Amino acid sequence: SAVISQKPSRDICQRGTSLTIQCQVDSQVTMMFWYRQQPGQSLTLIATANQGSEATYESGFVIDKFPISRPNLTFSTLTVSNMSPEDSSIYLCSVKGHSSGNTIYFGEGSWLTVV
Amino acid sequence: GQSLEQPSEVTAVEGAIVQINCTYQTSGFYGLSWYQQHDGGAPTFLSYNALDGLEETGRFSSFLSRSDSYGYLLLQELQMKDSASYFCAVYREGGDDKIIFGKGTRLHILP
Repeated sequence: SAVISQKPSRDICQRGTSLTIQCQVDSQVTMMFWYRQQPGQSLTLIATANQGSEATYESGFVIDKFPISRPNLTFSTLTVSNMSPEDSSIYLCSVKGHSSGNTIYFGEGSWLTVV
Repeated sequence: GQSLEQPSEVTAVEGAIVQINCTYQTSGFYGLSWYQQHDGGAPTFLSYNALDGLEETGRFSSFLSRSDSYGYLLLQELQMKDSASYFCAVYREGGDDKIIFGKGTRLHILP
């Protein structure tokens, strides 16, 4: 299984600021995704992080608000821009590797609270 | 589009058996997964069914009926540590490895 490290694990952010979340995987993976999970809710896919090209965003999510980078096969970042209290959520990095079959692994999440 | 329906909450007694159902609507289907999430933790993979039938892994089993667009997760010999949220998820049409999650079932276990 893949080991996924996310930073920060928790943060309290001021309204109007931006925060970048990092996701580091211990092995090369084919697919990296970013999900959001608002308190007590299900997981919603934000985007697929594509290596060497622009991320593919889901309906309702835009690059200006959630810029994503993926410079290589083991690392990605998600930035939450111009935060508001509605952005208070858990942000989860997930990956699918060459040998993981149909299993998708999740990082431990980054718990953001916007005040 | 795709949608998944599962009960919001289920309560069972320690040592018993519980079944969590999931029905889905999708224009393209590749497989049904189940994930467990404890409070404060990340989702962890439990099972994946691509074909009809029952898959067993220890105390957990997962079933799929493609013709009925239905699946379930069966938990046996319930333990207090099984108290968690359980999400069914389908691979999105197009086979691009993106998983769409249901709203989750909160499992409460009584001693």
